[in-house]
Amino acid sequence: QVQLVESGGGLVKPGGSLRLSCAASGFNVGDQYMNWIRLGPGKGLEWVSYIGASIAYTKYADSVEGRFTISRDNAKNSVYLQMDSLRAEDTALYFCARLWNGYYSFDHWGQGVLVTVSS
Amino acid sequence: SYVLTQPPSVSVAPGETARITCGENNIASKTVHWYQRKPGQAPVLVMYYNDARPSGIPERFSGSNSGNTATLIISRAEVGDAADYYCQVWDSGASHPVFGGGTELTVL
Repeated sequence: QVQLVESGGGLVKPGGSLRLSCAASGFNVGDQYMNWIRLGPGKGLEWVSYIGASIAYTKYADSVEGRFTISRDNAKNSVYLQMDSLRAEDTALYFCARLWNGYYSFDHWGQGVLVTVSS
Repeated sequence: SYVLTQPPSVSVAPGETARITCGENNIASKTVHWYQRKPGQAPVLVMYYNDARPSGIPERFSGSNSGNTATLIISRAEVGDAADYYCQVWDSGASHPVFGGGTELTVL
């Protein structure tokens, strides 16, 4: 059974850093495109980043480019999001989600982890 | 790039049909996916490729995509269908997904 469990959220001051983790089970993260998607207060879903299968190609939304870094540890079957230079507008519930191969939709999501950026 | 426009809210009585729209110029040329999110829960894929239901999604859920509007249709709406619904397409030019702003469905 596929399961995604996020951790690492919390309260951080503007300019600070945080590292989110997504532990997967029921499949190999190295075989799938893994994504981070966020839901800000009063906002809709916003795609943040993905890491590709096999060659680990990465891509970021313009709003986080240069500040966030996505990575993967196949041995731990986990995906990470290193968030630096955090801003108030990064406050959101962050979801880890698996891209459904060939269908360009997200077939499995984690429960989400809350990140609050505030002084 | 794509900007998917959804109504902020839709309200129906139990048993009625709810229609949630997702607008973009010539959206019919794209495949649209839909997600349901209830408070405190992970989003759930309820429709993919415009009108395909994942396993476990009731037949009351259906979808269409024509012209400039994609629509998620929930027949015989139930109180338990109340949630936020989001449409999504893949922007092949930018190589990343795009989500609509979300629609809050109220059933009461």
